[in-house]
Amino acid sequence: GNSVTQMEGPVTLSEEAFLTINCTYTATGYPSLFWYVQYPGEGLQLLLKATKADDKGSNKGFEATYRKETTSFHLEKGSVQVSDSAVYFCALRNPYRGSNYKLTFGKGTLLTVNP
Amino acid sequence: SQTIHQWPATLVQPVGSPLSLECTVEGTSNPNLYWYRQAAGRGLQLLFYSVGIGQISSEVPQNLSASRPQDRQFILSSKKLLLSDSGFYLCAWSPRDFQNTGELFFGEGSRLTVL
Repeated sequence: GNSVTQMEGPVTLSEEAFLTINCTYTATGYPSLFWYVQYPGEGLQLLLKATKADDKGSNKGFEATYRKETTSFHLEKGSVQVSDSAVYFCALRNPYRGSNYKLTFGKGTLLTVNP
Repeated sequence: SQTIHQWPATLVQPVGSPLSLECTVEGTSNPNLYWYRQAAGRGLQLLFYSVGIGQISSEVPQNLSASRPQDRQFILSSKKLLLSDSGFYLCAWSPRDFQNTGELFFGEGSRLTVL
């Protein structure tokens, strides 16, 4: 089946530090990959996505590259801000075998950025 | 523009009592609708999804049920709550062309505590 594995949190960084949150996946076929972000007290919102191998998704200074050879989609940001403090979820959508309507999420990684 | 509302935002219920969480979407037609549960340390788990009125797919066997009485209304119910039903419940919708966009739009969530 489909699964997403994220690095365990929490992650605590100082402002302007470099961020990497690792995400690897297991899926049959060619899934699309996503990063969602959940700010405190809110629902999730899409941060970025990539639909095929070697695509790079980017938004708000965050980037992630779809690496099929390593089945990974690591999230990076060069300089984090306090306002980036949130829970980050990696997710995949796999059109194989009737999974077309669903997203499979990882467990989430809590990021705290200190001033 | 499209909006999604879910209520109540917070609920404290005794074990064995019934549950009804409601979600409505505005500004779109024929959405796909979803109920997710977010439990501490367990990430985001898909409970139910619906691609049309009266069409419900259950992802995990459990104490909960879902119904879609109208195109833009999705209800999560239980006849008798268990302690293990405690968690943060998120309703989400996606457009009909989800296969192309892969984006889910989430409500702000309902926190359920079963005592």
